[in-house]
Amino acid sequence: GDSVTQMEGPVTLSEEAFLTINCTYTATGYPSLFWYVQYPGEGLQLLLKATKADDKGSNKGFEATYRKETTSFHLEKGSVQVSDSAVYFCALSGMRNTDKLIFGTGTRLQVFP
Amino acid sequence: NAGVTQTPKFQVLKTGQSMTLQCAQDMNHNSMYWYRQDPGMGLRLIYYSASEGTTDKGEVPNGYNVSRLNKREFSLRLESAAPSQTSVYFCAHGYRRNEKLFFGSGTQLSVL
Repeated sequence: GDSVTQMEGPVTLSEEAFLTINCTYTATGYPSLFWYVQYPGEGLQLLLKATKADDKGSNKGFEATYRKETTSFHLEKGSVQVSDSAVYFCALSGMRNTDKLIFGTGTRLQVFP
Repeated sequence: NAGVTQTPKFQVLKTGQSMTLQCAQDMNHNSMYWYRQDPGMGLRLIYYSASEGTTDKGEVPNGYNVSRLNKREFSLRLESAAPSQTSVYFCAHGYRRNEKLFFGSGTQLSVL
């Protein structure tokens, strides 16, 4: 079945460092791909999405490119801030069932001043 | 509040007790969901409702029941709580699968 695999955390960085959080997926056809972010004590919020191959989603300085050849959707940011500390979830919307999002296990990011 | 009200925020139950988690959304979305979040497991779908009057099982439906009372409300019931149901529960809603989901702030449930 469809699935998402994320790198395990926590990822610990200093402020202004470059961030990459890896995400790969297994799915039939052409799923839509998402990154959600969960700040402490809150629910998840959509960070960015891409709906077809080679699309780049971007928001708040974060970017991810839908790579069908490597079945990947890695999250990147050029210069992280303390306020980016959160848990990041990669997710896909499978083709077989049009009403469900499948989430990865989440990656905790900790940014220190 | 992402257009969703989820109650209660915290709950402690004894094994065998029952309770209902309430969720209401004010964005007129068709689809509503209940997820549970456990350390190292990410989010797992319990039940979802694609439209008023319909519900379907997700990955981990055992021990739960749901009711889509109307378009706004989607409740999750634990008939006989077990310690394995200790988790954080999130309600979510959305319009279509490839549009974004809006999540509630969660219910932290402990079953002793």
